[in-house]
Amino acid sequence: EVQLVQSETEVKKPGESLKISCKGSGYTFTNYWIAWVRQMPGKGLEWMGSIYPSDSDTRYSPSFQGQVTISGDKSLSTAYLQWRGLKTSDTAMYYCARRYYDSGSFAYDMWGQGTMVTVSS
Amino acid sequence: SSELTQDPAVSVALGQTVRITCQGDSLRNYFASWYQQKPGQAPVLVNHGQNNRPSGIPVRFSGSRSGNTASLTITGAQAEDEADYYCNSRDSSGNHLGVFGGGTKLTVL
Repeated sequence: EVQLVQSETEVKKPGESLKISCKGSGYTFTNYWIAWVRQMPGKGLEWMGSIYPSDSDTRYSPSFQGQVTISGDKSLSTAYLQWRGLKTSDTAMYYCARRYYDSGSFAYDMWGQGTMVTVSS
Repeated sequence: SSELTQDPAVSVALGQTVRITCQGDSLRNYFASWYQQKPGQAPVLVNHGQNNRPSGIPVRFSGSRSGNTASLTITGAQAEDEADYYCNSRDSSGNHLGVFGGGTKLTVL
């Protein structure tokens, strides 16, 4: 079964560091881009950035460049999203999603279950 | 601000047809994909490109594009289609970044 499994809920204090994960299984992890998507409480989806696990080519939305770090470990079939100084405004659900190509277009066909991150003093 | 613009809310009578639209300059060059999200759940891909539906998605979900506007049409809306719908495509920078529309809340009356 093709799936993305994300790490569990996190509760952190402002200024702390955090790294959440997204593990792929059931397919060749290195053949597909993985994107990270933020959803703040009651709000819409925001594309944060993506990584190609085969060569770690990474792209960031200008809104998130410098705010987070996306990385991957192809030997573990895992992508990561990292913060070095959390803010209360980072409180959100974070999803990873696999990008695939079919019939001339790209789409995110597989999503992780989401990792809820709460930042509060 | 989003480079893809969606109407915040749309309603449809049970069994009728509804079109959800997504506007943006990048759609002149790139296809859109569409995602359904129900409360407390992860998004689900329902259509992409030139009307491609993943396995398991009902045929009533169809996609199209004209100029800078992509559309998701639900023909014969069902109660279970009530959800938030998001479009996604590449941004217009040429840097192969992604962007989501602001989302449309669909109410089935």
